[in-house]
Amino acid sequence: NAGVMQNPRHLVRRRGQEARLRCSPMKGHSHVYWYRQLPEEGLKFMVYLQKENIIDESGMPKERFSAEFPKEGPSILRIQQVVRGDSAAYFCASSPGQLGTEAFFGQGTRLTVV
Amino acid sequence: QKEVEQDPGPLSVPEGAIVSLNCTYSNSAFQYFMWYRQYSRKGPELLMYTYSSGNKEDGRFTAQVDKSSKYISLFIRDSQPSDSATYLCAMKGQGAQKLVFGQGTRLTINP
Repeated sequence: NAGVMQNPRHLVRRRGQEARLRCSPMKGHSHVYWYRQLPEEGLKFMVYLQKENIIDESGMPKERFSAEFPKEGPSILRIQQVVRGDSAAYFCASSPGQLGTEAFFGQGTRLTVV
Repeated sequence: QKEVEQDPGPLSVPEGAIVSLNCTYSNSAFQYFMWYRQYSRKGPELLMYTYSSGNKEDGRFTAQVDKSSKYISLFIRDSQPSDSATYLCAMKGQGAQKLVFGQGTRLTINP
């Protein structure tokens, strides 16, 4: 059973471009969470999704950021018109149901904006 | 004030030492307390979790929660070089769907 798969592992974008980060949850998991980790900081919650629904996006910046988890395919975190401050590691976690303690994290996507 | 405070270290100890890692928090609604280990350039890996107050032991690891003091600890006995990593505390309230993380403590075990 493969773990949470994130791709790409590393992504370089120029200022103003779009970044698309993908997350395939573990098999049987229908709940996905995105977190952002800035250098030397802990993880900050961004958004919680179930299939075809955004449940909690209280941690998402109001502009340029969006997330989806379609019926088929991976969850996507999209950042439009990236700025240098978006450079961070973005982690996805999945759980089989509503979050208890069994949240499994992927290896992350490291976004660098140049 | 951050909801969860964790000393970022770095902490460096000799192999075989007992390591104590700690977090304090301000939100009395937190009920679930976790410790994650994160190796460099990797994702967080759940080590232990505790519900409410008390102690929990798993091999060389012991987690303690003191809700009256809003203070949690992770102890590592007989520390090994392979324990070198960043340790993150995380917590959440009953029914909450998001984890609140501490900053992480970078630990190095020297052979």
